[in-house]
Amino acid sequence: RKEVEQDPGPFNVPEGATVAFNCTYSNSASQSFFWYRQDCRKEPKLLMSVYSSGNEDGRFTAQLNRASQYISLLIRDSKLSDSATYLCVVNSGGGADGLTFGKGTHLIIQP
Amino acid sequence: GAVVSQHPSRVICKSGTSVKIECRSLDFQATTMFWYRQFPKQSLMLMATSNEGSKATYEQGVEKDKFLINHASLTLSTLTVTSAHPEDSSFYICSARVRQGRDEQFFGPGTRLTVL
Repeated sequence: RKEVEQDPGPFNVPEGATVAFNCTYSNSASQSFFWYRQDCRKEPKLLMSVYSSGNEDGRFTAQLNRASQYISLLIRDSKLSDSATYLCVVNSGGGADGLTFGKGTHLIIQP
Repeated sequence: GAVVSQHPSRVICKSGTSVKIECRSLDFQATTMFWYRQFPKQSLMLMATSNEGSKATYEQGVEKDKFLINHASLTLSTLTVTSAHPEDSSFYICSARVRQGRDEQFFGPGTRLTVL
């Protein structure tokens, strides 16, 4: 069974703080990993792909640990606009398979 | 960037009617599109994979006769919810993979279906 697990939160974080989320996946054959962001009643939007070597995009850093089967997302200098639900997403098929989503971690940045 | 549109954005219908949702890739050709469903406070669940010119592949537990998928061109896939019932009320979202060999998917804005 394909599963992606995340702490649903909510994480209440003051503006400017650093916050980190983790997620774990059960399928060791998983090949591609992503973080998506979803605002309330909107579609998911790709935040960043996650590479084995780790990658950074501005204030966001993603890391992958294949041995432990977890993925992390770090947000530095958090902004009010970062408030959203962050979805950990895995593609296990590498071909035509759809994505497997975690339930998301709800982040609230407080002024 | 890759843009995916969906129409309509919101539908309210009576029980027993059929509802058709369109998903279009606006600035690229998508050989594969995906249909997801999201219930309140739940994760997105893949319903089916839609391949241009061939039959859709449905996930376990999704009735293919109830959720009809047609992918007639490289830019259009449609999902028809036949004989909708209140339990079909949900947020339906399509996505498209931009190109072969890449797994990132871009999502349409979703269709919120309410069946009375």
